Amino acid sequence: ETGVTQSPTHLIKTRGQQVTLRCSSQSGHNTVSWYQQALGQGPQFIFQYYREEENGRGNFPPRFSGLQFPNYSSELNVNALELDDSALYLCASSLKTSATTDTQYFGPGTRLTVL
Amino acid sequence: DQQVKQNSPSLSVQEGRISILNCDYTNSMFDYFLWYKKYPAEGPTFLISISSIKDKNEDGRFTVFLNKSAKHLSLHIVPSQPGDSAVYFCAAITMDSSYKLIFGSGTRLLVRP
Repeated sequence: ETGVTQSPTHLIKTRGQQVTLRCSSQSGHNTVSWYQQALGQGPQFIFQYYREEENGRGNFPPRFSGLQFPNYSSELNVNALELDDSALYLCASSLKTSATTDTQYFGPGTRLTVL
Repeated sequence: DQQVKQNSPSLSVQEGRISILNCDYTNSMFDYFLWYKKYPAEGPTFLISISSIKDKNEDGRFTVFLNKSAKHLSLHIVPSQPGDSAVYFCAAITMDSSYKLIFGSGTRLLVRP
């Protein structure tokens, strides 16, 4: 029912490299949020995009950046990868209205390993 | 600075009995609280939510209770079923423009047949 997909499923990179993760939102959803989930922890908010503009950011450095496209797809880019970037990256789409309780629908995530 | 805390990493209950998952928070500005369920290899799935102006919300077998004075909420599952076995995350949001979910660390529930 969620309709949110992410690619790739798994990814292995080395320290210092750059990575792009992709998300396809549920059709009609104008908002996408990205979360990082480290092992044994809950998801941590990275940033949110609303109608292709950044609409809020968590406590992540500028080497984490994103893009949202009109076709309901989005990207999370991470430059200069560090070992601590190893985590499950989740995207969540929602239809932002005036209500703050618009349900966020999560994709299955991309497991990134940095060696 | 962990604003949402789930102090029990795991919980095991017998099928048919009640499961009670607990969550504490520190930020009195939170406006909504949500519970998400996560199966392996899947993303979190929304389960139930409660507004900060209410103290109880019920949806079928799931009930969430909120105690604002204690900054504590709990999720009750009655009766528990083996298919409920999953990781449960408590999350909170504030009424700002970014609508970011702040998650706890999760509780792994095992419902034994």
